[in-house]
Amino acid sequence: DAKTTQPNSMESNEEEPVHLPCNHSTISGTDYIHWYRQLPSQGPEYVIHGLTSNVNNRMASLAIAEDRKSSTLILHRATLRDAAVYYCILRDLQGGSEKLVFGKGTKLTVNP
Amino acid sequence: DGGITQSPKYLFRKEGQNVTLSCEQNLNHDAMYWYRQDPGQGLRLIYYSQIVNDFQKGDIAEGYSVSREKKESFPLTVTSAQKNPTAFYLCASSIGASGSRAQYFGPGTRLTVL
Repeated sequence: DAKTTQPNSMESNEEEPVHLPCNHSTISGTDYIHWYRQLPSQGPEYVIHGLTSNVNNRMASLAIAEDRKSSTLILHRATLRDAAVYYCILRDLQGGSEKLVFGKGTKLTVNP
Repeated sequence: DGGITQSPKYLFRKEGQNVTLSCEQNLNHDAMYWYRQDPGQGLRLIYYSQIVNDFQKGDIAEGYSVSREKKESFPLTVTSAQKNPTAFYLCASSIGASGSRAQYFGPGTRLTVL
């Protein structure tokens, strides 16, 4: 599986934007970039995913570099409920990607 | 509301007893999954099913069994053969198993074997 690299932790203030980076220099042409988050004692929550173009949904935006070797998850206005561990995961469209492989992720702290 | 339900939230069992964890989804998803998470660790895939009456082993299937008799249900049985069953169990579903599809998770069942 292609690997991703994320910072161990980041901190933000409430109501400010947050940019969570992810490096995936060995990404293949058929890998989708997925983001999930996990709050303490809860199951992971799907956030967003994309292939080449930037994506927006009600939770966040995903900005994908032109060479696709990195991406950034953008939370436009952080709230205390956004404090979680965020995981960037690559999944191959061509199969063999049934499981989600979670790395260590980025622990986001949101200050009031 | 559409979603995935797991019951119970907490489960206690004596060593040597089999126990079945429930997972139900009303999202009309074809694929369903069972993961296990240990404290401070990532998720590990136990079993998955892409269609009714069919399922495949994941990375840590030993000591577990599943069935998929209905599209909306994918129960997991933790048998006495599972050497270290105490863990957080998560069920997920997706429209398909392709890498282009998101997986949606239930709230989890925390199993403690005494």
